[in-house]
Amino acid sequence: AQRVTQPEKLLSVFKGAPVELKCNYSYSGSPELFWYVQYSRQRLQLLLRHISRESIKGFTADLNKGETSFHLKKPFAQEEDSAMYYCALTASGNTGKLIFGQGTTLQVKP
Amino acid sequence: DTAVSQTPKYLVTQMGNDKSIKCEQNLGHDTMYWYKQDSKKFLKIMFSYNNKELIINETVPNRFSPKSPDKAHLNLHINSLELGDSAVYFCASSQERLNPGLNYGYTFGSGTRLTVV
Repeated sequence: AQRVTQPEKLLSVFKGAPVELKCNYSYSGSPELFWYVQYSRQRLQLLLRHISRESIKGFTADLNKGETSFHLKKPFAQEEDSAMYYCALTASGNTGKLIFGQGTTLQVKP
Repeated sequence: DTAVSQTPKYLVTQMGNDKSIKCEQNLGHDTMYWYKQDSKKFLKIMFSYNNKELIINETVPNRFSPKSPDKAHLNLHINSLELGDSAVYFCASSQERLNPGLNYGYTFGSGTRLTVV
């Protein structure tokens, strides 16, 4: 079964500290992984796709197939990064259905 | 020029009522979705339509009925509302999968906060 696990419900760091939001997935095929962000009372926005290998707002994520992980990282957190972050998976060749993790709230303190 | 728009943004209604939420996208996407975000912020897919055709129907009570008059619209009608239906409902759309294994990601609407009292 396809599953996405975000073990931390809340991650609290100080401004300028490194951030790592953990994401592990369960899928036997070739998954497509995403990170979405939801700022307070706003819509979900696509942050990163693993196939793009891009850096957005200083965030990066590397797909590690051996560890079945797709952790989101940023070297220096900013207060405006405070939001809910969702890791999501879709299975290749299917209907495009996204399976989301439980979400991690990132709180960046001044 | 909002890409995916939902109406209403807030909906407060009594148990037993019937209500509808509308969704429209102007991105030219072929696939649209409804997701439910519960009180614990967990997101779960409910329905998906591709070019007006239902392609995903998760385990959702049949009080929920999606309707897609054209590929730019996907509305959600809910009959006999219950307290447990209170949640935020998100509409989303995505680009057609032109190549197997390629997904461009979703564009979400701003959500409809439904409160059943």
